Amino acid sequence: KAGVTQTPRYLIKTRGQQVTLSCSPISGHRSVSWYQQTPGQGLQFLFEYFSETQRNKGNFPGRFSGRQFSNSRSEMNVSTLELGDSALYLCASSSALGVYNEQFFGPGTRLTVL
Amino acid sequence: KNEVEQSPQNLTAQEGEFITINCSYSVGISALHWLQQHPGGGIVSLFMLSSGKKKHGRLIATINIQEKHSSLHITASHPRDSAVYICAVRLDSNYQLIWGAGTKLIIKP
Repeated sequence: KAGVTQTPRYLIKTRGQQVTLSCSPISGHRSVSWYQQTPGQGLQFLFEYFSETQRNKGNFPGRFSGRQFSNSRSEMNVSTLELGDSALYLCASSSALGVYNEQFFGPGTRLTVL
Repeated sequence: KNEVEQSPQNLTAQEGEFITINCSYSVGISALHWLQQHPGGGIVSLFMLSSGKKKHGRLIATINIQEKHSSLHITASHPRDSAVYICAVRLDSNYQLIWGAGTKLIIKP
């Protein structure tokens, strides 16, 4: 079974631009979560989608948004980029929502904002 | 105070040593995860615990629900165990995952 894939792997943008990141979950998985990882803050939860609906949201400004498609693929969008948005963005998929479902992580997209 | 605290933040040991990484949390949880992140950034899930103890190869994870504490042990450590080990708890209120800051482990040959 193919793992979680994320595209692109690396991205360089300038302040004020917007960016869209993509995540394809493991086949059959319906839950996709997004995380931001920065050296100072560690891993922080952005949002979780299940069956095209956002089920949970972390404490991030409205510039961060996402969506999930009917094939469970998910996209994350960041508008009006700021320098502080430079981070590794990780997505994880699991077969369902719930307590005991293990998450499988993608390799991440490293975003640099200049 | 962070809801999930790991200790130590950094740990350097010699090959073969027994390693213990600790995780304490202050919230109600339904499960606790231990994950490993290598320098390239990839994250691998090691364990998911809701009670007791789990073992996989040289790795052992334990959790004490009453004390809100979990430990990850590595026996006969090896340089390839060098990585960041992260504890994350799933809240019992909304199933959101809250992450610890991670423990950077270096095993010297």
